[in-house]
Amino acid sequence: GNSVTQMEGPVTLSEEAFLTINCTYTATGYPSLFWYVQYPGEGLQLLLKATKADDKGSNKGFEATYRKETTSFHLEKGSVQVSDSAVYFCALIRKTGANNLFFGTGTRLTVIP
Amino acid sequence: KAGVTQTPRYLIKTRGQQVTLSCSPISGHRSVSWYQQTPGQGLQFLFEYFSETQRNKGNFPGRFSGRQFSNSRSEMNVSTLELGDSALYLCASSADSGSGETQYFGPGTRLLVL
Repeated sequence: GNSVTQMEGPVTLSEEAFLTINCTYTATGYPSLFWYVQYPGEGLQLLLKATKADDKGSNKGFEATYRKETTSFHLEKGSVQVSDSAVYFCALIRKTGANNLFFGTGTRLTVIP
Repeated sequence: KAGVTQTPRYLIKTRGQQVTLSCSPISGHRSVSWYQQTPGQGLQFLFEYFSETQRNKGNFPGRFSGRQFSNSRSEMNVSTLELGDSALYLCASSADSGSGETQYFGPGTRLLVL
């Protein structure tokens, strides 16, 4: 089947700390992978994506690399800011067949000044 | 380009009532998907529409239904509301008919069932 396992939260970091949120997946074939972010009271915003093995997605200082050998797509940022406080969701979508996203459970990040 | 819009943003209903939620996709996007988000179950796929046809459906009871219009706008309907239907309902649109396309989400409609 298709599933995403995401690091349990919550995660609390001090400003300028390094962030890693782990994400592993199970999928038939080679899916596309995404990180979405949800700020309080809002919908999901696409943060970054990768569509094939060894692709690196990046945006706003966040990065994630599609690792086929470890079926992982870990999110990293070198120096977090208070404004990065949000819930982060890892997700996959298959490239053939049913066109729906499979989400992880989400990781709540709080950054303190 | 305007993003995905959803109306209304908030709704309060009572058990047994029905509700209709609306979604306007990004201009030019033809696929619209709906998801339910709850604290207990997380994000779950409801259904996807493309060219006014339901192409894919998640594991929800028949009380949940939807449709898509010729301009790609979509509505979802929940009949005979239950307390457990309280959730954030998210609509997402994508550009193409193929699988694997990036989905862009709206702000959601928060439904509270009393």
